Parts: sequence; C-alpha cells; structure tokens
Amino acid sequence: KQEVTQIPAALSVPEGENLVLNCSFTDSAIYNLQWFRQDPGKGLTSLLLIQSSQREQTSGRLNASLDKSSGRSTLYIAASQPGDSATYLCAPLMSSNTGKLIFGQGTTLQVKP
Amino acid sequence: DGGITQSPKYLFRKEGQNVTLSCEQNLNHDAMYWYRQDPGQGLRLIYYSQIVNDFQKGDIAEGYSVSREKKESFPLTVTSAQKNPTAFYLCASIGAPGNTIYFGEGSWLTVV
Repeated sequence: KQEVTQIPAALSVPEGENLVLNCSFTDSAIYNLQWFRQDPGKGLTSLLLIQSSQREQTSGRLNASLDKSSGRSTLYIAASQPGDSATYLCAPLMSSNTGKLIFGQGTTLQVKP
Repeated sequence: DGGITQSPKYLFRKEGQNVTLSCEQNLNHDAMYWYRQDPGQGLRLIYYSQIVNDFQKGDIAEGYSVSREKKESFPLTVTSAQKNPTAFYLCASIGAPGNTIYFGEGSWLTVV
C-alpha cells in the first residue's frame, strides 16, 4: 500500500526566501509524480508533473526533483512571494495499479510580506 | 474550454437524507476520482473509476456510492449511512497514466 508523507506540515517564511518542500513515498513503482497547489476552499491546481524517467522539472520559480529509487521528491520555490501562500500537495501515480491515486497530507505555506 | 464541473458548490443535508454530488468532465478522460477533504487535512480517496460501468472502492468508501454510466459523468451519493459527512468533496480525472490530473472546484457538504 502506497503511503505518502510530506514534511514539513506547515511553514512560515519571510518574503524573498528560497524554500524546499519534501515528499516521500513508500512504493517506488510509480509512473510519475505531480505537485499541486490548493488555495483555501478551492480545488487543486497542477504545478509540475515529473515522469518516472526524469530527475527534475522546472516552471518559473518552481523546480521539482524526483529520486524514484529512494522514494523522494522535493519542490523548490525560489524567491518566495506572499502570493505563494497556499497548501502544496504531492501525488505519485502508481504503475502497478494506475487507477488508485494517493495524496500526501500537504504542506501549508505562509509567506509574510 | 475543457474541464471538470462539480455541482452544487454548497449543499446542506438533513440527517437521514441521501444527497448526490455531480461531477462532469468534457476532457474525454477515462479515469475519474472522488476525494474527501476535512478542514486542515489532506485528500482521502472515496471511490475511483478507470472505465465506464466499472469502479473501485478507495480508502473511505463506507457510506458512499457511485455510478459510471457515461464516460463524462461520475456522480457521488452520500448516504444516510455516512455518519460524519460534513466535508469538502473534490472530483478529479486523468486521461492516461503519465498525464496531468485535473480537479474540479469542489463541493461543500454540511449536515444541518
């Protein structure tokens, strides 16, 4: 059974800091891993998708890395802004059962002006 | 534009009632999912469907039911057997493994 853990659960930083969010998963037989952003009371918005054959993916100030063998992914946010305040979730998509999609608990980020 | 539509946005249920949440997608996706989110918590999988007329239980299926009669529709019924249904419900879909997952805007269900 896939278990997904995100650390830290919450993070508060001043504007301008670079920060790293961590995601670990117990079953490394994944197709890909996706990072999402969720604003309060809203659905999830996809940020980055990393295929199992890739090591990293970048979009603007966001960079996600994947170490499939060790069951880890990190989301790096450069030069954080107050608008980055949200909850960030990761979800590995399994190869053995591509239907079941399990999420981590998320990291709630607050960026202070 | 293609996407996932959930309705209603807000729903109030009296104790003992069944209610149905709608999820419609025009992305031509095969797989669809229902998740429950409680305040300050992550997403928990209720049911998922990989193909029309087939669906599987997730981790918290008790008290819920679904149907998948059409590719574009995956309604969720919250039955009276669900003792604590007040939560935020999210529907998602994916076209194929390796593709991006899309989410609806969610539905808030409150028991009154």
